[in-house]
Amino acid sequence: DTEVTQTPKHLVMGMTNKKSLKCEQHMGHRAMYWYKQKAKKPPELMFVYSYEKLSINESVPSRFSPECPNSSLLNLHLHALQPEDSALYLCASSRRPTRQGSYEQYFGPGTRLTVT
Amino acid sequence: AQRVTQPEKLLSVFKGAPVELKCNYSYSGSPELFWYVQYSRQRLQLLLRHISRESIKGFTADLNKGETSFHLKKPFAQEEDSAMYYCALKGTGGSEKLVFGKGTKLTVNP
Repeated sequence: DTEVTQTPKHLVMGMTNKKSLKCEQHMGHRAMYWYKQKAKKPPELMFVYSYEKLSINESVPSRFSPECPNSSLLNLHLHALQPEDSALYLCASSRRPTRQGSYEQYFGPGTRLTVT
Repeated sequence: AQRVTQPEKLLSVFKGAPVELKCNYSYSGSPELFWYVQYSRQRLQLLLRHISRESIKGFTADLNKGETSFHLKKPFAQEEDSAMYYCALKGTGGSEKLVFGKGTKLTVNP
């Protein structure tokens, strides 16, 4: 299995809802990433997990809460989001953390989130 | 601070013509640079990294530290090269972060 999978593909949620995005990889990668991508913009890093520990939080609001239950799984818990949080949320993984070398990041297809 | 500039939002060429997508970077240390590509309805994927010095799908990119550039080139563009191209920079010295440029949308016309 050489893919990063993300579920759901699409998500519509109200501002008072709680939902979660899921990302999975079975490539034995030890670094996983969440990015946010607005339309016609580049991906913007949100969080990095290295060896299942949070190593970077790019000053993301607390209404986004990441979780890495094991080396294959990465979640992003969402609560009390705002309409401006509507975007494509991308998950990526790499064999080792980027601080250890020029490792390719493998991206998932993304979850298209709409906050109403 | 790490910064990547792709000056062209859109680039349009005819099939068989040479193509060059520009990328300039700003970083005080020694950078590592990548080109990522996103074809229509497909996921973002790595095209090239500068340390590999390889040619993928006919594309090459050379790191020019004097001009702080990492331009992507192909001598003869094909229609299937139409896609969004992102230049990305990773700082060395323990940096975790990959910073993307704003991207260039390449259209290769028949």
